[in-house]
Amino acid sequence: SQQGEEDPQALSIQEGENATMNCSYKTSINNLQWYRQNSGRGLVHLILIRSNEREKHSGRLRVTLDTSKKSSSLLITASRAADTASYFCATGLLTQGGSEKLVFGKGTKLTVNP
Amino acid sequence: DGGITQSPKYLFRKEGQNVTLSCEQNLNHDAMYWYRQDPGQGLRLIYYSQIVNDFQKGDIAEGYSVSREKKESFPLTVTSAQKNPTAFYLCASSPKGGTSPLHFGNGTRLTVT
Repeated sequence: SQQGEEDPQALSIQEGENATMNCSYKTSINNLQWYRQNSGRGLVHLILIRSNEREKHSGRLRVTLDTSKKSSSLLITASRAADTASYFCATGLLTQGGSEKLVFGKGTKLTVNP
Repeated sequence: DGGITQSPKYLFRKEGQNVTLSCEQNLNHDAMYWYRQDPGQGLRLIYYSQIVNDFQKGDIAEGYSVSREKKESFPLTVTSAQKNPTAFYLCASSPKGGTSPLHFGNGTRLTVT
C-alpha cells in the first residue's frame, strides 16, 4: 500500500485562484517534503516540513502538517499558468532496519488555465 | 552552475540488450539515487549509494545493476533480465542521504522494443 497519497489526482483552476493539494500517509514520519515536476523533467524540491512543525511558508507556497491526522496540504496562492506541473509529496521515515527512507506519492497534476 | 547531468535524454534499445544510463553530479554530494517513474505513478527507488564503493538495493532492484567508483558518478545498467524496462529514469543526489531533500537530474526516457 502507498505510504503517501496525494488528493486530488488532477486539479484544473483559473489563473489567480488558489490551488490546494493534500497528502495522506500511514506511518510516523521524520519530515514531509513537496516536489514539483514539469512535464518530461526532473523533480524540483519545494519545501520541507519537519514532524514537529505545523506550518511553513515559502513565497506563494504554504504547507501545513497535521501529524494526528497523518496529512499535509500544499497551498499555492494566486496561481499562474507557469505553476502548471505535477506536485508530489514525499514522506521521510525510519525503516524497521533503522535506516532512513524517502517515499514518494503518485502526485497531483495541476493545470492553471490563463 | 552545480547540478546533476543525465545522458542521454532519450534512449532506444532492442529487447535483450543491456543499456547503461549515465548520471554525473558536481554538487559534491555523498548520496546518489536512481528512481523509476511510470506514467501516472510515483517514483520507485531502484538503487542508492551513500558513499563511494558502496550501494544498496531499493524497492525494485531486480534486473538493474549500479556502480559507484567515483563520488561524482553513479551509472545504472538496465539488464536484459528486467522484464519491463521501458520507463522514465531519474537520478538524484543529496548532501548526506537519509531523508534530506533530493536534487534531481532531468531524466532519461528509455524505450525498449
